[in-house]
This record gives sequence, structure tokens and C-alpha cells, in this order.
Amino acid sequence: DTGVSQDPRHKITKRGQNVTFRCDPISEHNRLYWYRQTLGQGPEFLTYFQNEAQLEKSRLLSDRFSAERPKGSFSTLEIQRTEQGDSAMYLCASSLVWDYRAQQFFGPGTRLTVL
Amino acid sequence: TQLLEQSPQFLSIQEGENLTVYCNSSSVFSSLQWYRQEPGEGPVLLVTVVTGGEVKKLKRLTFQFGDARKDSSLHITAAQPGDTGLYLCAGAQYAGGTSYGKLTFGQGTILTVHP
Repeated sequence: DTGVSQDPRHKITKRGQNVTFRCDPISEHNRLYWYRQTLGQGPEFLTYFQNEAQLEKSRLLSDRFSAERPKGSFSTLEIQRTEQGDSAMYLCASSLVWDYRAQQFFGPGTRLTVL
Repeated sequence: TQLLEQSPQFLSIQEGENLTVYCNSSSVFSSLQWYRQEPGEGPVLLVTVVTGGEVKKLKRLTFQFGDARKDSSLHITAAQPGDTGLYLCAGAQYAGGTSYGKLTFGQGTILTVHP
């Protein structure tokens, strides 16, 4: 039984560069979520997918951010023209849409540092 | 915007002491989840509560959901150094049909248990 996986675990980039993160959810889970967490804070919602459809995007998600889940399995989150303020932990979670407990299971995260 | 206020933000105690972490909101949640997070890792789900007044126990941890489903508490008995970590509460709200959407997180409680 594999959990949620994320790649890479750490990314250091220079301001202005583009970065892409990947998330592989638990295999039978049809919902996939992206959150961002800065130091000392709880995670903040960015966006989520049900199968391949992106159902909601937070206002936190600027035009430089784009997420995809093309085949309803893995997802990618791309940040274009990175800024220092993008430095954070990016977390992916997955769940079953019909789970009335709304339990979400998180991956280990990708730590982004923008220099 | 639904908010979860978590308190205290920091807790430093000696091994063997008891502690309680609180999570409060003015909004009603369909379910409330408690996570524990280690530095550099993703949150790990501890428990989910869904019914007003529900109490769940996990070894030395006791979780309670308020009668009105607006607040929750986590009580740890006889804390041990291995309990050290960031504790997060997160609420889910009904999103229509049979689905439950994004989680709203509290800002977290950093617990340090000294030997």
C-alpha cells in the first residue's frame, strides 16, 4: 500500500526560473489537492482536482501558477518566473470523493527555495 | 472565509505532564481532522471526528468534537518526548452532492516535550 508521493523533495532555484513539481496520489483516490505551507503556519489550499477536472482554485494561485492532472492520476504544479515569496513547502494530498469523513492523506512535500 | 483558530501556538512541557490544544471556529464543519507534522515532512493524519460531541482516543491522545461542530480539542496524557511535533487541526465543509472539498487548517501548535 503506497501513500502519496511527491518529487522532488527539495528544489533550489534562482528568481525568475520556472519549476515543476509532481504528485502521485494513492492509486484509488479520485481527488487530488495542492496546498502551500510557509514556516510556522498551517497549510493553505491552492487548488484541487476530481479525476482530471480542476474544480477549485484559490485566489492565492496567481497567474504564474498552473496545475494539471491530465489523465486523472498524477498531477503537476508549475510555477513560472519564480519569486522569493514563492519559497515554501508545497504539499499534495489525495482523498476519495465519497468519503463522508473527508479524510485527506498527504505526501512528504516539496520544499522550494527561491534565491 | 472560514477560519480555524488554534491555541496555544507554542507549548513547552516536561515529560509526564498533560496538555490540551484547542481549535475554534465560528463556522460549522462536516468533519474535523487532527494531523501531526515533523520538520521537513508532510502532515500525518491522526484522527477524524464527524459527529457533534464525538470523543475518540488514540492511546494517550483524546480528541473531542464540540456539540455544535465548531470546535475541537486534543488532550495528551503523560506526554513523552516522542510526542514533540507540530499539531494541526483542519476542518472540511460539505461541498454539495456527496463531496467534501478543501481543508481549512489552523496555524498549528508546536509542542516540545523535554525529557
